[in-house]
Amino acid sequence: EAGVAQSPRYKIIEKRQSVAFWCNPISGHATLYWYQQILGQGPKLLIQFQNNGVVDDSQLPKDRFSAERLKGVDSTLKIQPAKLEDSAVYLCASSKPSYNEQFFGPGTRLTVL
Amino acid sequence: QKEVEQNSGPLSVPEGAIASLNCTYSDRGSQSFFWYRQYSGKSPELIMSIYSNGDKEDGRFTAQLNKASQYVSLLIRDSQPSDSATYLCAVNSYQTGANNLFFGTGTRLTVIP
Repeated sequence: EAGVAQSPRYKIIEKRQSVAFWCNPISGHATLYWYQQILGQGPKLLIQFQNNGVVDDSQLPKDRFSAERLKGVDSTLKIQPAKLEDSAVYLCASSKPSYNEQFFGPGTRLTVL
Repeated sequence: QKEVEQNSGPLSVPEGAIASLNCTYSDRGSQSFFWYRQYSGKSPELIMSIYSNGDKEDGRFTAQLNKASQYVSLLIRDSQPSDSATYLCAVNSYQTGANNLFFGTGTRLTVIP
């Protein structure tokens, strides 16, 4: 069974630029999560989707972050404009509905200069 | 108060010893508890899940849960240098209105050959 796929793996941008990350979950996993992991900290949930609907985006900085999952499968997370403090690893995870066992993709390491 | 708390370490144990990792959580309504292993530069990998009070064993790993004390632990028997990683405790909570996982900051384990 293929795992969670993410791209790109690394991204370096200047502050105030925009960036987008892509995620494809494990086949059959209806629930998809985006996390931000800052160095030395645990992952922090940004947004949770169930199929193509948003379940929880309470911790998403909506003035600059947006996410979508239009067809209920893959998802994109966008940051516009980026700030220095957005430098982090962005992790996508997926799970079966009603299960909390989440499986993570390899992540995208973002550096904002 | 943080939702999930862990000692950041580092925790150093000699090869072959038992490593004991601890975690406390704040939400008494939590029902699902997980341990993830994260190697440096990699994404978290699910290694144990536990849902009921008591012990759950899987190979060299034993998870222990005490809901009355709001305490979860992970024991690693016969520790190997390959176990050197950061171990993240994750606990589910409905604090944001949705069923989400909250992660601790992780405990860094070093197994000394």
